[in-house]
Amino acid sequence: NAGVTQTPKFQVLKTGQSMTLQCAQDMNHEYMSWYRQDPGMGLRLIHYSVGAGITDQGEVPNGYNVSRSTTEDFPLRLLSAAPSQTSVYFCASSRWDRQETQYFGPGTRLLVL
Amino acid sequence: EDQVTQSPEALRLQEGESSSLNCSYTVSGLRGLFWYRQDPGKGPEFLFTLYSAGEEKEKERLKATLTKKESFLHITAPKPEDSATYLCAVQATGGSYIPTFGRGTSLIVHP
Repeated sequence: NAGVTQTPKFQVLKTGQSMTLQCAQDMNHEYMSWYRQDPGMGLRLIHYSVGAGITDQGEVPNGYNVSRSTTEDFPLRLLSAAPSQTSVYFCASSRWDRQETQYFGPGTRLLVL
Repeated sequence: EDQVTQSPEALRLQEGESSSLNCSYTVSGLRGLFWYRQDPGKGPEFLFTLYSAGEEKEKERLKATLTKKESFLHITAPKPEDSATYLCAVQATGGSYIPTFGRGTSLIVHP
């Protein structure tokens, strides 16, 4: 099993550009989440999904969109990037009955100029 | 509002020097408290879940304990490979899936 994979590893954007961060898992997990991690701050939940076709907002959803058309994939879209979105983004997944045991991907480092 | 505070922010130990990391929390009702390890440039890796006061979990040189207001991660005779950032998170009762993470403790173990 590859676990949770994320692409790209690193991305530089200009303000106003759009992009999609990819996340995939091969563990057949129902729950998937997107977090951002900033220096001096804890991980903050952006959006999450409890299954295909179902998504919900986390703590810091503004500026981000998500969709979940399959169990395996959970892409995160930035429609118009802003410097405040410079961060490291982590995707995570877990079983519906083991939400506490989240498996995290390796992260995407995003720089918005 | 749920809050998680970890201390110290950074800790330097000599190999074999045991110590503890603290995670204090404020939550209306605790569903679970989680400990993760994060190596530089990588995603967090799950270590433990604690559900109720008095509960303890162990893994190699690590032992996590829980009271009604805080959790400790005890590191016994640490080795340089234990160097990492340790994250604590809580999940409240009430149906929300949203966990609250602390800022982490950066641990460096010198040989």
